[in-house]
Amino acid sequence: GIQVEQSPPDLILQEGANSTLRCNFSDSVNNLQWFHQNPWGQLINLFYIPSGTKQNGRLSATTVATERYSLLYISSSQTTDSGVYFCAVPPIGSNYKLTFGKGTLLTVNP
Amino acid sequence: GAGVSQTPSNKVTEKGKYVELRCDPISGHTALYWYRQSLGQGPEFLIYFQGTGAADDSGLPNDRFFAVRPEGSVSTLKIQRTERGDSAVYLCASSQDRGVEQYFGPGTRLTVT
Repeated sequence: GIQVEQSPPDLILQEGANSTLRCNFSDSVNNLQWFHQNPWGQLINLFYIPSGTKQNGRLSATTVATERYSLLYISSSQTTDSGVYFCAVPPIGSNYKLTFGKGTLLTVNP
Repeated sequence: GAGVSQTPSNKVTEKGKYVELRCDPISGHTALYWYRQSLGQGPEFLIYFQGTGAADDSGLPNDRFFAVRPEGSVSTLKIQRTERGDSAVYLCASSQDRGVEQYFGPGTRLTVT
């Protein structure tokens, strides 16, 4: 099946810093989602981004489907940004079956 | 509008018992999914419903796991003869249709003692 690798696995920032999280995937995809799992375990939708670039406030994401990667940018980080960030992709033949990476654990210190 | 809801939020059961986990999707979403998340891992796909039918149950680990969605809305995940290895967070998601953005519920944390 499709493989999803996220980097870095862990990231510690001071409040106000910027960061870039990366998601590589092993096969062609028709869609990609980024999620933030908060400390209570809730998966929060950040972006649905099969290709191109999207922005939402301090967050933006870029997916280059032809090169099989996506980037999540967090600017001016806040302590509430702490948690695990997942990217998830489905294989083309089963476009509903999300395969998740292992996530990036982000800790933002005050 | 309301998001995906799941009940119970926590369930502790003894090895060998039967459990049912409930998912209430976003109103109007025809596609419903169950995933399982173990500690330190991303969620893993279990089963996908389109309407009332299970369109893909390839992620169910064995025949002790079964899920239904009789009226095309609420779904129940059923686990028979629970084992300690079944302990995990069970997540439900829904989407407007197949292959579009999925929205997740808060999960049910199952602990088998």
